[in-house]
Amino acid sequence: GQQVMQIPQYQHVQEGEDFTTYCNSSTTLSNIQWYKQRPGGHPVFLIQLVKSGEVKKQKRLTFQFGEAKKNSSLHITATQTTDVGTYFCAGRKAAGNKLTFGGGTRVLVKP
Amino acid sequence: DTAVSQTPKYLVTQMGNDKSIKCEQNLGHDTMYWYKQDSKKFLKIMFSYNNKELIINETVPNRFSPKSPDKAHLNLHINSLELGDSAVYFCASSHLLPGLAGLQETQYFGPGTRLLVL
Repeated sequence: GQQVMQIPQYQHVQEGEDFTTYCNSSTTLSNIQWYKQRPGGHPVFLIQLVKSGEVKKQKRLTFQFGEAKKNSSLHITATQTTDVGTYFCAGRKAAGNKLTFGGGTRVLVKP
Repeated sequence: DTAVSQTPKYLVTQMGNDKSIKCEQNLGHDTMYWYKQDSKKFLKIMFSYNNKELIINETVPNRFSPKSPDKAHLNLHINSLELGDSAVYFCASSHLLPGLAGLQETQYFGPGTRLLVL
């Protein structure tokens, strides 16, 4: 079955530094989504990427979809304490299919 | 106004009991889901309903039975609870929307039900 893997599982970041989390799918995806879950909270949709090589930005967050549509990355610049949480990527093989979530990257920010 | 709501928020119960979790969405979405998130934060889909019809049924024990009385509600009943059922259960809803970049199906999650089986 389809598998979506994320690395790293944990990311300890000094406040102000940049970091990247990676998402890899065992199959080609129709689209990929990113969600953020704050500690004690629920996953909240951040963005969807559809096109091969697509890059989207949301303030300090940059999302990229790989050329082969099998991997994606999330890059955060100048990390802030508000960035704390678990970031999930979720891939879909085709429109209407189930969303398969990666294991998440748990981000801890050191002030 | 809460978009996706779940009750109860916390549920502590003894092994062997039967319990239900309720979910309601006021977004007018066609599709609803149940996810299980374990202690390691892995988020796994359990069931999905579209307009009250079951469309996804992952490998879940028969003790778990979803019910959708209408497209705004999806409940989850669990029989003979086991220790391994302890987790956070999230309800979610979604709707296919056409956009410039194709169809987008954003999932909106409820606040979760934290189930602890003793």
